[in-house]
Amino acid sequence: EAQVTQNPRYLITVTGKKLTVTCSQNMNHEYMSWYRQDPGLGLRQIYYSMNVEVTDKGDVPEGYKVSRKEKRNFPLILESPSPNQTSLYFCASSLRTGGTEAFFGQGTRLTVV
Amino acid sequence: GQQLNQSPQSMFIQEGEDVSMNCTSSSIFNTWLWYKQDPGEGPVLLIALYKAGELTSNGRLTAQFGITRKDSFLNISASIPSDVGIYFCAGWATTSGTYKYIFGTGTRLKVLA
Repeated sequence: EAQVTQNPRYLITVTGKKLTVTCSQNMNHEYMSWYRQDPGLGLRQIYYSMNVEVTDKGDVPEGYKVSRKEKRNFPLILESPSPNQTSLYFCASSLRTGGTEAFFGQGTRLTVV
Repeated sequence: GQQLNQSPQSMFIQEGEDVSMNCTSSSIFNTWLWYKQDPGEGPVLLIALYKAGELTSNGRLTAQFGITRKDSFLNISASIPSDVGIYFCAGWATTSGTYKYIFGTGTRLKVLA
């Protein structure tokens, strides 16, 4: 089944403890991206990747890192999480850059205390 | 960051009523897409529009790509309780030669039985 898989679905962590949220897609998509969703603010793009080893900042990249060493995986790294990064995170992928739909993962609800 | 303006922010309607929501941008888009997000899930594509003026239906849903390429609307006819959720417009924006997949702020729909 074609899908985008995120893990974990839920995570509670403490301030400053490094964490990684994984994202994997099995559709051979070129474009992958991360979003955070906060009440009243819609989906804001954190980082995106147009292909392997090609990543760029979205609108809210501060405090996050990403890597794209393989086409299928696009992990989101929080080196030193802070409470303002408490949010619902979504990974998405698209066949190619520009013009095609995005497929979303199930989301990761992160709480930083 | 660049974002699409979506209205209304929220709607409470009676079952059976028709619903209309729209999305506007200050810049031109080549593609407009409409997604629905159910509680606790990632957004799922409803309709994709690829040409200015295009009017597309998907069951009770109808969406149009504005002639100016700066707006789009989504109509839902004869609403039912399972239409509850958040509706997002989305599109590909180009900035300095790079593509970003950006989302509207969302319209939260509640249907009263």
